[in-house]
Amino acid sequence: AQSVTQPDIHITVSEGASLELRCNYSYGATPYLFWYVQSPGQGLQLLLKYFSGDTLVQGIKGFEAEFKRSQSSFNLRKPSVHWSDAAEYFCAAKNNNDMRFGAGTRLTVKP
Amino acid sequence: GAVVSQHPSRVICKSGTSVKIECRSLDFQATTMFWYRQFPKQSLMLMATSNEGSKATYEQGVEKDKFLINHASLTLSTLTVTSAHPEDSSFYICSAGLAGVPSEQYFGPGTRLTVT
Repeated sequence: AQSVTQPDIHITVSEGASLELRCNYSYGATPYLFWYVQSPGQGLQLLLKYFSGDTLVQGIKGFEAEFKRSQSSFNLRKPSVHWSDAAEYFCAAKNNNDMRFGAGTRLTVKP
Repeated sequence: GAVVSQHPSRVICKSGTSVKIECRSLDFQATTMFWYRQFPKQSLMLMATSNEGSKATYEQGVEKDKFLINHASLTLSTLTVTSAHPEDSSFYICSAGLAGVPSEQYFGPGTRLTVT
């Protein structure tokens, strides 16, 4: 069955530290891959997406993600976290008309 | 471009009543619209996929008679929660697919439904 896995439910980092959020997918063929951020009570904001080509994708707010086919992964990274980055992050994969989400990773930023 | 709106943003209704949520693609034609449900501190779960002019396809475990979906035009889909109960309280998010571009999907801001 197609699925998206985010192994980390909750991550805490200090402001200014680097961040990596993990995402793995299980699909027959490489799906379209996305990272979204959601603040409490709000909708989803697209950070970045991967369709094909360069495996390192740049997004908004200083985020980037790297697609690794051999590991079926699409991890999100940011070199220096800001307090405003505290939110819930969702990885998603889409194949045909079917977009599935990971369980989400809640990011807490310590001052 | 590619903006999706939802109305209302918040709604409170009494148990046993029905409530309708609208999802509109404002500046593009959406041949396919998706409805998701999100419980507090949980992920988005796909409820159903609707194509303009045809019946919606519901995910396993979603009651089609309870969650009525209508996709009458290329810019509007509605979700009606019938005979709502407190357990239906949730955050409902719609999404619209861009015609001819299957890789793109745009999300609405969500509707918070509270059933008392």
